[in-house]
Amino acid sequence: EAGVAQSPRYKIIEKRQSVAFWCNPISGHATLYWYQQILGQGPKLLIQFQNNGVVDDSQLPKDRFSAERLKGVDSTLKIQPAKLEDSAVYLCASSPGLVQETQYFGPGTRLLVL
Amino acid sequence: AQTVTQSQPEMSVQEAETVTLSCTYDTSESDYYLFWYKQPPSRQMILVIRQEAYKQQNATENRFSVNFQKAAKSFSLKISDSQLGDAAMYFCAYRKGGSNYKLTFGKGTLLTVNP
Repeated sequence: EAGVAQSPRYKIIEKRQSVAFWCNPISGHATLYWYQQILGQGPKLLIQFQNNGVVDDSQLPKDRFSAERLKGVDSTLKIQPAKLEDSAVYLCASSPGLVQETQYFGPGTRLLVL
Repeated sequence: AQTVTQSQPEMSVQEAETVTLSCTYDTSESDYYLFWYKQPPSRQMILVIRQEAYKQQNATENRFSVNFQKAAKSFSLKISDSQLGDAAMYFCAYRKGGSNYKLTFGKGTLLTVNP
């Protein structure tokens, strides 16, 4: 079974530029999560989708971050414009969407904002 | 709000020895799940073990076991017969019971395994 796929693996941009990350969850997984992991900290949820609907985006900085999951499969996370403090690893995870689900993580995208 | 605390930023263990990583959490919920995730340098987060709060029996997965103390809100991970491949960052995580709830992570413990 293929795991969660993410691209790109690494990205370096200047502040105020825009960037987009892509995630393809495990086939059949209804729930998709985007986490932000700043160096030295645990991951923090940015947004959670159930199929193509948003379940939780309470910690998403909506003035600069946006995410979509069209057709309820893959998802993109965008930052526009980027700030220095957005430097982090962005992790995508998916789960079947059942009650006792385990979340499976992708390899992450490491973003450096200069 | 739920919080997860890992008080050991770094730990080290000799190969073949046993090490215990600590985790405490705070919640007012009675139905929840606890997890230990491992994140090697490649950064792929891998589930090590999970514990349902309603189960009194501690979870075990091969060399990995937990000591779940519900009243004390403590959830420690014991790694027996440590191997070089166990070296990684270990995160304790909490999830509220029911469907579609996020994971709340601790800050992690960096485990070094010495040959």
